[in-house]
Amino acid sequence: AQKITQTQPGMFVQEKEAVTLDCTYDTSDQSYGLFWYKQPSSGEMIFLIYQGSYDEQNATEGRYSLNFQKARKSANLVISASQLGDSAMYFCAMREASKTNYGGSQGNLIFGKGTKLSVKP
Amino acid sequence: GAVVSQHPSWVICKSGTSVKIECRSLDFQATTMFWYRQFPKQSLMLMATSNEGSKATYEQGVEKDKFLINHASLTLSTLTVTSAHPEDSSFYICSVGTSGGHEQYFGPGTRLTVT
Repeated sequence: AQKITQTQPGMFVQEKEAVTLDCTYDTSDQSYGLFWYKQPSSGEMIFLIYQGSYDEQNATEGRYSLNFQKARKSANLVISASQLGDSAMYFCAMREASKTNYGGSQGNLIFGKGTKLSVKP
Repeated sequence: GAVVSQHPSWVICKSGTSVKIECRSLDFQATTMFWYRQFPKQSLMLMATSNEGSKATYEQGVEKDKFLINHASLTLSTLTVTSAHPEDSSFYICSVGTSGGHEQYFGPGTRLTVT
């Protein structure tokens, strides 16, 4: 079974509108972290936002917010006021505490297959 | 945030030769580094976990004799693709984690093309 599922291979959004990118996850760990990364055509992985499994409030970083629904095991990314520069691949990822050597950020990430976002002018 | 560099950014090599890719943590010491591989239009897949001063831990299906990892210092890990074949052509990305924080920082990646 996939650990991270992103069901939208591609999404289109009009400039200045909001868009939601879906992500569901599967883990038996009680402690885990959820991440969203942006990958433009250059290939670099740009960290956007993080949500810890014990965080009660949804994470927000500027125009990015994470809609965390723990019971549904979903961690959707919401981008408000889309810009042309937001066009890129977006990856949802998870780190499970049980896979962590030293705790903290020392564990590897498991990635979803990604969603290609295209912002239309 | 932490700065991670990779060298080279792209490389073309002939089939049968070996290629070394360096991953450097520029502003902090990394006891653990991760090597991922990304085929075109696919996701990142973990290849191995590089541990400073000890042997790397490889994921299932990744040949340790083909993908040699050396993590000789707290700021440098190297991945050597030995006897490269065209099917090894891919985007190789390293990442490091910081103690006490949750974020992982990625290098800019190395695009390998084997002809």
